Amino acid sequence: GAGVSQSPRYKVAKRGQDVALRCDPISGHVSLFWYQQALGQGPEFLTYFQNEAQLDKSGLPSDRFFAERPEGSVSTLKIQRTQQEDSAVYLCASSLRTDIPQHFGDGTRLSIL
Amino acid sequence: QQQVKQSPQSLIVQKGGISIINCAYENTAFDYFPWYQQFPGKGPALLIAIRPDVSEKKEGRFTISFNKSAKQFSLHIMDSQPGDSATYFCAAFNDYKLSFGAGTTVTVRA
Repeated sequence: GAGVSQSPRYKVAKRGQDVALRCDPISGHVSLFWYQQALGQGPEFLTYFQNEAQLDKSGLPSDRFFAERPEGSVSTLKIQRTQQEDSAVYLCASSLRTDIPQHFGDGTRLSIL
Repeated sequence: QQQVKQSPQSLIVQKGGISIINCAYENTAFDYFPWYQQFPGKGPALLIAIRPDVSEKKEGRFTISFNKSAKQFSLHIMDSQPGDSATYFCAAFNDYKLSFGAGTTVTVRA
């Protein structure tokens, strides 16, 4: 596709369930970022990949959050034992080189009941 | 703590008017300052960006002014159009991380 694709677009889960969010970056893009956006707020950095290497995961809120990009393309953000405070839009972005996020996907809206 | 402070929270401008959004930062390690535009239900879209060694950058109707000594930067939207109605975020970048402001909702009245 022409842009960054995220799936699912909406996810509803019960508290305590595990969820997996997928990001398909633009083909050939080296950098991949995950951000969390709470309602009415600016996005907050979660983690950064350069190809398959996770170079920064300092923004992950807890050890319940895990991200991977095993072949340097598609990435998955996994949240274990979800809590209500995990409810947010999760945004993925990619860049051709190692610079700022240039192309964001439309996000996955996660609601934890 | 929010590393980039953005104001105002919202603004209303008449069609053809100028919208001005201001941002301030503290961390002098930031080395790139982009602005993003976001429509409801969509991801942020990169609008324009500036490096700290440049005082002004213009792209079409959008201009960034940058004051390194004051650690402030602003976005000017000239000749505002109804299609510009959106939320705008300033951001600052270093070490792979973007720190976003809280956003400004711009409404352009026809």
